[in-house]
Amino acid sequence: AQKITQTQPGMFVQEKEAVTLDCTYDTSDPSYGLFWYKQPSSGEMIFLIYQGSYDQQNATEGRYSLNFQKARKSANLVISASQLGDSAMYFCAMTPVSHGSSNTGKLIFGQGTTLQVKP
Amino acid sequence: DADVTQTPRNRITKTGKRIMLECSQTKGHDRMYWYRQDPGLGLRLIYYSFDVKDINKGEISDGYSVSRQAQAKFSLSLESAIPNQTALYFCATSDSVEQFFGPGTRLTVL
Repeated sequence: AQKITQTQPGMFVQEKEAVTLDCTYDTSDPSYGLFWYKQPSSGEMIFLIYQGSYDQQNATEGRYSLNFQKARKSANLVISASQLGDSAMYFCAMTPVSHGSSNTGKLIFGQGTTLQVKP
Repeated sequence: DADVTQTPRNRITKTGKRIMLECSQTKGHDRMYWYRQDPGLGLRLIYYSFDVKDINKGEISDGYSVSRQAQAKFSLSLESAIPNQTALYFCATSDSVEQFFGPGTRLTVL
């Protein structure tokens, strides 16, 4: 069975500092994708970053980077230079990736981490 | 215009009522999904569809049904709503790996 674990229910960070949000996963699929989504208080789900399990390099998107350690089954999100607008709930999610009709695209989500950025 | 739209955005209903949540997308994707989010929890998959003739149950399908009226439309129905179905409901679409989410429907069952 696939599972995503986010062990930090809540985090605080000072504005302009970097913060790491933890995510560990469990899967028996040989190929999979890992996502991070941001959910502000308004409720929408905003895609941040994606990492494929066979990608050689860690993914980066602007101030977001994904610290992917495959052997440890971890996919931590690093936000550099935090801004007040980064205050939100953050979700790690996973999907198996395969070719053909067996690729369902179903996402398995963690429970989320609430990040609060202090001015 | 938004690529994935959901109607209504907010709904309050009473126990036992039938309610339908609608999702439309302009992305041309074949795959569509319905998720539910409860406070303090991540999203959980209710149903998903790969095309008009393909409907699949997700993790928590009991108490729900779906209809894929067209490639662009995927509706979620609660045949007889109960209070523990109070949640935030998301529709999503995908053509490969990344999923694109609608804005969500906040449903309250009294």
